[in-house]
Amino acid sequence: GQQVMQIPQYQHVQEGEDFTTYCNSSTTLSNIQWYKQRPGGHPVFLIQLVKSGEVKKQKRLTFQFGEAKKNSSLHITATQTTDVGTYFCAGPTNNNDMRFGAGTRLTVKP
Amino acid sequence: DTAVSQTPKYLVTQMGNDKSIKCEQNLGHDTMYWYKQDSKKFLKIMFSYNNKELIINETVPNRFSPKSPDKAHLNLHINSLELGDSAVYFCASSQDGGAYTEAFFGQGTRLTVV
Repeated sequence: GQQVMQIPQYQHVQEGEDFTTYCNSSTTLSNIQWYKQRPGGHPVFLIQLVKSGEVKKQKRLTFQFGEAKKNSSLHITATQTTDVGTYFCAGPTNNNDMRFGAGTRLTVKP
Repeated sequence: DTAVSQTPKYLVTQMGNDKSIKCEQNLGHDTMYWYKQDSKKFLKIMFSYNNKELIINETVPNRFSPKSPDKAHLNLHINSLELGDSAVYFCASSQDGGAYTEAFFGQGTRLTVV
């Protein structure tokens, strides 16, 4: 079935450094969603991107949707310890449900 | 009030047993889901229910059966539990089940089969 590939699987940064996770699809996506899961917690919706080339910001988080709508990225500027967690992208399937990427686990060293 | 609640939070049981996990949502959503998250954090959709009708049934063993008594509830029943069933199971709901609506997740149930 359709999948969204997400890289890297793990990222360890020093507090204050930037962080980026990437999501790629072999097919054009109608939209893409991003979720964050804190350690021991549950996935929480962050944002949805729909338009080609769309860029959305939430404080230090910047989300981009590629021009071809086949890739997306989440960039965090100047990471903080509160950013720790696993970030998932999710793309639609032919069944009209959302299929999650493998996630990028971010750890931040104070 | 918790939007999506599932019980129990932890479940430890022996191989071969039958167990159920309950899920309730008070958001008035039309669609509910069950996801399995393994030790590597990979989230895999298992089932989706829309207005009490199963619309997605992933290739999960038939030992797993979703049961929805009404739109606000989607329980997961597992027969003959196996070691490989150990994982965190998340219930979720969304407004209409379409790919444009965000999903709200429950707190998760950590199932350990010994």
